Amino acid sequence: DTGVSQNPRHKITKRGQNVTFRCDPISEHNRLYWYRQTLGQGPEFLTYFQNEAQLEKSRLLSDRFSAERPKGSFSTLEIQRTEQGDSAMYLCASSSPTSGIYEQYFGPGTRLTVT
Amino acid sequence: KNEVEQSPQNLTAQEGEFITINCSYSVGISALHWLQQHPGGGIVSLFMLSSGKKKHGRLIATINIQEKHSSLHITASHPRDSAVYICAVAGSARQLTFGSGTQLTVLP
Repeated sequence: DTGVSQNPRHKITKRGQNVTFRCDPISEHNRLYWYRQTLGQGPEFLTYFQNEAQLEKSRLLSDRFSAERPKGSFSTLEIQRTEQGDSAMYLCASSSPTSGIYEQYFGPGTRLTVT
Repeated sequence: KNEVEQSPQNLTAQEGEFITINCSYSVGISALHWLQQHPGGGIVSLFMLSSGKKKHGRLIATINIQEKHSSLHITASHPRDSAVYICAVAGSARQLTFGSGTQLTVLP
């Protein structure tokens, strides 16, 4: 068990470009969460998957954001037409069927900088 | 008013000092997490508790459900404890709600 991994760790992109991040949860963890963290703030919830089903989305997740978890394993978060306000740390977490939301394991995050 | 409030926002201590970070929340919860975030972003879960007190090494976490308050204590602080400490609560919703974090700096 290697923990939750995220790729890339850092991404610099120009405004208007599309970016995609990947999260690989701990194996056998059926729940996967995406959070966004801006500088000096705590993380904010974006979306949540149980297996391949996206069960909840925050109002923060505008139409430019889309997340998928096609086979119930890894997940991708895509941001289309990036804006400078999208610059943040994007965190992924996973949890097991038994512990549920109460024990989430976090990945190292992907830091996005939009120039 | 944020659902989860932490204090202080910033804390500087000398090595060896006893440190307390506080977390107050305004919603009913099932569990509360204390998380540690080092520069570079990775988050590590320190404690998950729903009542009473937990201890791990030099770290102690307490929670008072009636008062909607939790504290994280660090005894004999060390420069390697320098990090952001984040309180997060798990309520009726499926996601965690986070405080804005406390930046701790321990000077040698």
